[in-house]
Amino acid sequence: KNQVEQSPQSLIILEGKNCTLQCNYTVSPFSNLRWYKQDTGRGPVSLTIMTFSENTKSNGRYTATLDADTKQSSLHITASQLSDSASYICVVVPPNAGGTSYGKLTFGQGTILTVHP
Amino acid sequence: KAGVTQTPRYLIKTRGQQVTLSCSPISGHRSVSWYQQTPGQGLQFLFEYFSETQRNKGNFPGRFSGRQFSNSRSEMNVSTLELGDSALYLCASSFTVGSGSYEQYFGPGTRLTVT
Repeated sequence: KNQVEQSPQSLIILEGKNCTLQCNYTVSPFSNLRWYKQDTGRGPVSLTIMTFSENTKSNGRYTATLDADTKQSSLHITASQLSDSASYICVVVPPNAGGTSYGKLTFGQGTILTVHP
Repeated sequence: KAGVTQTPRYLIKTRGQQVTLSCSPISGHRSVSWYQQTPGQGLQFLFEYFSETQRNKGNFPGRFSGRQFSNSRSEMNVSTLELGDSALYLCASSFTVGSGSYEQYFGPGTRLTVT
């Protein structure tokens, strides 16, 4: 069964510190891998989208990496802020996504990040 | 451009009742997907509609149904509610971009509590 496993389940860090969230997947083949940020009580918002041929993608203080050989992705957050407190979800997208493929998206369970002042 | 809107934002129902949730996608988006999110199961796909037709369906019982109107607005209905249906229901509107990829935007969700 195709799976996406995220670790840790939860993480607490102090404001200003860096952190790295992990995503291991068994989905194969895949078109791209996405990281979403979900604030409490809100819908997920896309942070980064990486195709299988990309190794890294940045969005401000967020940097995602992808190792297709080991089937691992990570999301690195630099100089964390209180507003980074949220759930971070990894999603693996199958080839030819869109159209008939939305049902084949595989979501991780998410990592809950709490940033303390 | 306005984002995806969902109504109502919060809902409390009793076991056995039915509920209808509404989603208005971003203007111009013809695809609407629905997801159930619970702490234990994470995000799970319910179904997807495109141009008033259901194109995909997840592994949920027949009590969960949906429809899409000609203006792309979508509704989902859950009949004979069970306690386990308590969840955040998310709607996402999408459009296909080049090279077979897509852009998907989520609404704020409807928090359903079944007592």
